[in-house]
Amino acid sequence: NAGVTQTPKFQVLKTGQSMTLQCAQDMNHNSMYWYRQDPGMGLRLIYYSASEGTTDKGEVPNGYNVSRLNKREFSLRLESAAPSQTSVYFCATKGQAGYSNQPQHFGDGTRLSIL
Amino acid sequence: AQKITQTQPGMFVQEKEAVTLDCTYDTSDPSYGLFWYKQPSSGEMIFLIYQGSYDQQNATEGRYSLNFQKARKSANLVISASQLGDSAMYFCAMREGFTDKLIFGTGTRLQVFP
Repeated sequence: NAGVTQTPKFQVLKTGQSMTLQCAQDMNHNSMYWYRQDPGMGLRLIYYSASEGTTDKGEVPNGYNVSRLNKREFSLRLESAAPSQTSVYFCATKGQAGYSNQPQHFGDGTRLSIL
Repeated sequence: AQKITQTQPGMFVQEKEAVTLDCTYDTSDPSYGLFWYKQPSSGEMIFLIYQGSYDQQNATEGRYSLNFQKARKSANLVISASQLGDSAMYFCAMREGFTDKLIFGTGTRLQVFP
């Protein structure tokens, strides 16, 4: 998915380490999102940014921070990683906040393991 | 309470046959949207189809159609003429009101056999 690029694709951390997941999009979209996907639980929203300069909590924000660096980039930071944060992380974008029928476009995911 | 329920953990279908993947939802907001995404084994999430709560007709996109029964709060995905490449996880998701938050179901794994 050339439109939404996530780095890295894989990462292994030790408990207590910090890490920043990067997301960049070239779709000129205003809204960006971070999800986590755990087995048997579907995707859950961590944080989102309706537009540059704004961020809001989603369903599972604890243990994470985000930065909307500019229109293109939205990063997710784990300050002190815990094994419960082992998951696949997806970044998504959408053209415009509040437009009801626009789908979110997803990156390929970052598989994160915390030992 | 779960907002989106996908009761079929796994489904099998023979190539060229049609298959229905179930999705029920729960919301008190009269304005909402329903999305279906496909996740192949490679892991990416692919948007398939959208249905708005005020849409008068069921949505269709190529071989995908959505059987939207508002009174029963169901939004089932119908895939016609299944292909081997349709083997994947399928997720139903809902947007409530005019928020941008999507709530996902737990998914259904579809396997298409020759």
